[in-house]
Amino acid sequence: RKEVEQDPGPFNVPEGATVAFNCTYSNSASQSFFWYRQDCRKEPKLLMSVYSSGNEDGRFTAQLNRASQYISLLIRDSKLSDSATYLCVVNMADSWGKLQFGAGTQVVVTP
Amino acid sequence: NAGVTQTPKFQVLKTGQSMTLQCAQDMNHEYMSWYRQDPGMGLRLIHYSVGAGITDQGEVPNGYNVSRSTTEDFPLRLLSAAPSQTSVYFCASSYSPASGGGRDTQYFGPGTRLTVL
Repeated sequence: RKEVEQDPGPFNVPEGATVAFNCTYSNSASQSFFWYRQDCRKEPKLLMSVYSSGNEDGRFTAQLNRASQYISLLIRDSKLSDSATYLCVVNMADSWGKLQFGAGTQVVVTP
Repeated sequence: NAGVTQTPKFQVLKTGQSMTLQCAQDMNHEYMSWYRQDPGMGLRLIHYSVGAGITDQGEVPNGYNVSRSTTEDFPLRLLSAAPSQTSVYFCASSYSPASGGGRDTQYFGPGTRLTVL
């Protein structure tokens, strides 16, 4: 079983719509959680960290559910520029910097 | 700041050849790491370093060596290239938790696309 699992998609979303997707992680000792964005054939870039209380950054909302061991990302008012692969990333408490990556969820925003 | 730089951008090797992928950062980050990314899989950690002179293995270290003689540079060496090492390689750097700054963010280089024939 993979440490971090994501639905690969693609999620095809009309411009202006809302899309949400989850990521599950297997290790209950995981401490830090992130969403990274990766554009085609480019390097991953941090989108946002995910905090226990949930957090929002503009049109993006991230949630953490420790009991069920998943995190979620919601994108409101989708823009064409939101088309990308979204990587779920988990960090262990005793090995900071050794990130566990999901394979990514592809989002395609259409006009 | 240039951030994290990687060279070369593309490389084709024959089986058995050796080569070094270069990675440098100018942000004075303590942590540096190497990942490989294969289709349908997440990035997998090859080796990482928590500071100059200190390195450790990640999830998939076999066939690769690293060294960290300076804070800025973290080269990855392929000892004897194999077709299974065909991949996209990303170098990343970040602050350490002890430094108190930016612990959530790893900065990635643009990647090296390696093909082994």
